[in-house]
Amino acid sequence: GAVVSQHPSWVICKSGTSVKIECRSLDFQATTMFWYRQFPKQSLMLMATSNEGSKATYEQGVEKDKFLINHASLTLSTLTVTSAHPEDSSFYICSGAAGAGSYEQYFGPGTRLTVT
Amino acid sequence: AQRVTQPEKLLSVFKGAPVELKCNYSYSGSPELFWYVQYSRQRLQLLLRHISRESIKGFTADLNKGETSFHLKKPFAQEEDSAMYYCALSGPGAQKLVFGQGTRLTINP
Repeated sequence: GAVVSQHPSWVICKSGTSVKIECRSLDFQATTMFWYRQFPKQSLMLMATSNEGSKATYEQGVEKDKFLINHASLTLSTLTVTSAHPEDSSFYICSGAAGAGSYEQYFGPGTRLTVT
Repeated sequence: AQRVTQPEKLLSVFKGAPVELKCNYSYSGSPELFWYVQYSRQRLQLLLRHISRESIKGFTADLNKGETSFHLKKPFAQEEDSAMYYCALSGPGAQKLVFGQGTRLTINP
């Protein structure tokens, strides 16, 4: 199946700094990429949907200025957590879908962010 | 509102016993339903979708519109089925997924 990678797999940063997480589709072109957040023992919550070359569509309650998403190419999307705070500590997962109407999402392994 | 409910956080059965993971949904219209699985130390992956009507690794799931359910079943559980299972839905033709809380299935030898 198609492979999505994330980098880094884990990161620790100080409060007030910004952190960038990369999501890459390795063997397919991801027209659409999704960013999820998962708290411990909870489900995945969709944060935003991004289409290559377009602005991301954020879910209700997700701060656009806090979670900057860029989808500059068909194989790369980035999530930047700006001015991170301890409450932003979470597991961030991305997924990619190939082509409009493609139902299957291919998930990355996730990135564990800890803000101290 | 779109919602997926998996009432069981944990489910434990013995090897060879039947398994049923429950999933109920709320959606005004005709959603597409999916089951995703996450094995230990692996990423989330699609197990099956209702439109395909196929059996994957012995698992099947039938969409019951009257009961708004999409329960996952397997007649004889195997130890390698131990994993986290998520039920999810999307709008018809849409890609955005709404996930349930997940059920951790443990198959005892």
